[in-house]
Amino acid sequence: GEDVEQSLFLSVREGDSSVINCTYTDSSSTYLYWYKQEPGAGLQLLTYIFSNMDMKQDQRLTVLLNKKDKHLSLRIADTQTGDSAIYFCAGRRDGYNKLIFGAGTRLAVHP
Amino acid sequence: GAGVSQTPSNKVTEKGKYVELRCDPISGHTALYWYRQSLGQGPEFLIYFQGTGAADDSGLPNDRFFAVRPEGSVSTLKIQRTERGDSAVYLCASSPHGPGTGDFEQYFGPGTRLTVT
Repeated sequence: GEDVEQSLFLSVREGDSSVINCTYTDSSSTYLYWYKQEPGAGLQLLTYIFSNMDMKQDQRLTVLLNKKDKHLSLRIADTQTGDSAIYFCAGRRDGYNKLIFGAGTRLAVHP
Repeated sequence: GAGVSQTPSNKVTEKGKYVELRCDPISGHTALYWYRQSLGQGPEFLIYFQGTGAADDSGLPNDRFFAVRPEGSVSTLKIQRTERGDSAVYLCASSPHGPGTGDFEQYFGPGTRLTVT
């Protein structure tokens, strides 16, 4: 079956790095995504990584993928108050359309 | 450019009533998805359209739920005999291509919050 799990809450100080973790059970997940959801807003696609990659960096965001452990992480460098939101990890199989989401990690950034 | 839009943004209805939720995808996007997000949960897949046809409706919870996309652009999600358990945020997403053509990104709309009383 397909399952994606995330820790529910993370609190960091402004300027520190945040690391949000995700584990998935479906080894057939070919694409793995990170979405951001701010209060009252839709999901914003932040970045995604293919399963044949170990790392992807995009400005302040770094995604690490450990296929052996089925573990995905999102690191946000120099975290700002505007980064406060819920972050969702999602997986998708090649040839399929639907995204399987985790329950989301709420990131709180404090001064 | 314009993103995915959904109307209404909020809908309150009584148990047993019929509701329609509308999604306008990004212009030119051939793939359209519906998801449902309950409080404190991640979105759950409902149905996927490629053009006018429903290519995957495996996520629809029961036959009270139905969706159409008659001209391959706007889609309507229809819920009959609503129940309190249908209360959730209904999200629509679109993609520029279908699977197998390099499509990796789904862009989401702001959602319709449905409350069944």
